[in-house]
Amino acid sequence: DAGVIQSPRHEVTEMGQEVTLRCKPISGHNSLFWYRQTMMRGLELLIYFNNNVPIDDSGMPEDRFSAKMPNASFSTLKIQPSEPRDSAVYFCASSLALTGGDYTFGSGTRLTVV
Amino acid sequence: DQQVKQNSPSLSVQEGRISILNCDYTNSMFDYFLWYKKYPAEGPTFLISISSIKDKNEDGRFTVFLNKSAKHLSLHIVPSQPGDSAVYFCAANPRADSGTYKYIFGTGTRLKVLA
Repeated sequence: DAGVIQSPRHEVTEMGQEVTLRCKPISGHNSLFWYRQTMMRGLELLIYFNNNVPIDDSGMPEDRFSAKMPNASFSTLKIQPSEPRDSAVYFCASSLALTGGDYTFGSGTRLTVV
Repeated sequence: DQQVKQNSPSLSVQEGRISILNCDYTNSMFDYFLWYKKYPAEGPTFLISISSIKDKNEDGRFTVFLNKSAKHLSLHIVPSQPGDSAVYFCAANPRADSGTYKYIFGTGTRLKVLA
């Protein structure tokens, strides 16, 4: 398996533009997580899905952020409009179950909003 | 507020010596803990875990200790090797019957092992 695949690896955009981050989880994993890494807060959980259904989006910072999982093999995280403070590395992770075990992370998308 | 805290942002250790990375948590509902290792430009990878029913778990050079009364866990790496240089994240998961199922991560500790 190729692991969790995220695209793009790097994204530079201007403030106010829409940004879409993509994730393909490991085949057979039924839980998917979006995390954001910053120096100040480390890895923050934004939202997670179980069997394609959003379970907890309490970590989504603002209404500008939205996430979808239309099927078991694809998820998107969208920021509209983007702001400089959204600059961070965004990670997607998947796992076989919600609890226990470990997550498999993608390589992340480094987002820079100028 | 940070429910999982790694108060040392960085640590330098000589090759061959012991590395000790610390993690504190505030929520007594947490009962499963993990350590992840992250190299630059890569995603975090799972390293070792411990359940609250144990106070120690060992895997090769890596040992995690859990002190529930102090709400503290630590990762020991012995002997440390240059390839261990990375950022280490501590993560905690609440009990399954708590109704939530999300790992809470700390801010990470950057370990540098000097050759």
